[in-house]
Amino acid sequence: QQQVKQSPQSLIVQKGGISIINCAYENTAFDYFPWYQQFPGKGPALLIAIRPDVSEKKEGRFTISFNKSAKQFSLHIMDSQPGDSATYFCAAFEEAAGNKLTFGGGTRVLVKP
Amino acid sequence: GAGVSQTPSNKVTEKGKYVELRCDPISGHTALYWYRQSLGQGPEFLIYFQGTGAADDSGLPNDRFFAVRPEGSVSTLKIQRTERGDSAVYLCASSPIAGAGHNEQFFGPGTRLTVL
Repeated sequence: QQQVKQSPQSLIVQKGGISIINCAYENTAFDYFPWYQQFPGKGPALLIAIRPDVSEKKEGRFTISFNKSAKQFSLHIMDSQPGDSATYFCAAFEEAAGNKLTFGGGTRVLVKP
Repeated sequence: GAGVSQTPSNKVTEKGKYVELRCDPISGHTALYWYRQSLGQGPEFLIYFQGTGAADDSGLPNDRFFAVRPEGSVSTLKIQRTERGDSAVYLCASSPIAGAGHNEQFFGPGTRLTVL
């Protein structure tokens, strides 16, 4: 059972454009939702995270929007740059169930100059 | 300071062989995690250590997989009788504290295991 579903699998955006990645979850006990960025040959690195009591969080060009009732959250990358080209993973965490992260399937983003 | 390191970076083995993958967490991090990332997929949880003990090994796929962390620092993931389906990138992560609240998990670069 895939507990965190992520879409699209890949997207291409022009430099300066907006990249939008969507995730949906099933387990209402999840209480922490991070996004990770992964470059080829590297491990995932935390980009930004949100808790379900907040509807939006912004850090620089990265914004998470969270819809608790719909069990959906999304990452917006504003003013996308070629250096943002990477694979992005949404994830979810349930504090009471231990410290394991449940990841989405990933979105490969390519920003064209 | 140094991040999480994993050795080897690549490991090629034959079906049926035994392999060991090593993880050196960030110094002072008490929690250590192993994940497996198959091609084109997100990482999947395998096991989590709090100190020397395995606090949650619910993600280990079967009894061919085993992990240890004898001194609460370095961890070794051991795979017996490897199968072609074990081919993946094995990621290790560590965090400062485990338990109350989420703490950021810092990932290593992974070990790419190929079983021929």
